[in-house]
Amino acid sequence: GQQVMQIPQYQHVQEGEDFTTYCNSSTTLSNIQWYKQRPGGHPVFLIQLVKSGEVKKQKRLTFQFGEAKKNSSLHITATQTTDVGTYFCAGRGVQTTDSWGKLQFGAGTQVVVTP
Amino acid sequence: ETGVTQTPRHLVMGMTNKKSLKCEQHLGHNAMYWYKQSAKKPLELMFVYSLEERVENNSVPSRFSPECPNSSHLFLHLHTLQPEDSALYLCASSPGTDTQYFGPGTRLTVL
Repeated sequence: GQQVMQIPQYQHVQEGEDFTTYCNSSTTLSNIQWYKQRPGGHPVFLIQLVKSGEVKKQKRLTFQFGEAKKNSSLHITATQTTDVGTYFCAGRGVQTTDSWGKLQFGAGTQVVVTP
Repeated sequence: ETGVTQTPRHLVMGMTNKKSLKCEQHLGHNAMYWYKQSAKKPLELMFVYSLEERVENNSVPSRFSPECPNSSHLFLHLHTLQPEDSALYLCASSPGTDTQYFGPGTRLTVL
């Protein structure tokens, strides 16, 4: 079955540095989403990518969907302490016939930022 | 971020108790979901309701029983739970797309 893997599981970043987290699927995805969960909070939707090779930016965050639509990345520049949290990707496989709720979440990348 | 509310926020129950979790969405969405979030594991989708009809049940034990009386409310009835059921239970809604709007969750501890 479809699996969504995220690497790294844990990212320790110095404030001001850049980092990238990756999301890889065993099957082709129709779309991919990214969520952020602050410590003690709940996942909050960040963005959705649909097109092959799509790149979207939100201030210091850059999201990319791979050409084969099997992987995605989130790149954060000039990390700030407000970036702390766990970043999840979620993908829906193109083979799925059920149109509801077949999202597969990755295990997340936990980001710790040191001043 | 008050579009999806959940009560209670924290719950401690014994294995013989019966309790219910409540979720309410104020976004006019037509789909609602229950997820389980355990430490170090991916979010696990439990149930999906679309227009008050259950459209997905991901092999969830029968000790979890969902109820969706209308498109704005979702319940999760709990009975004879096990300690390994302790987790954060998240409700979400969506407008028919894949975007999930999560509630704050109920932190459940089963003793």
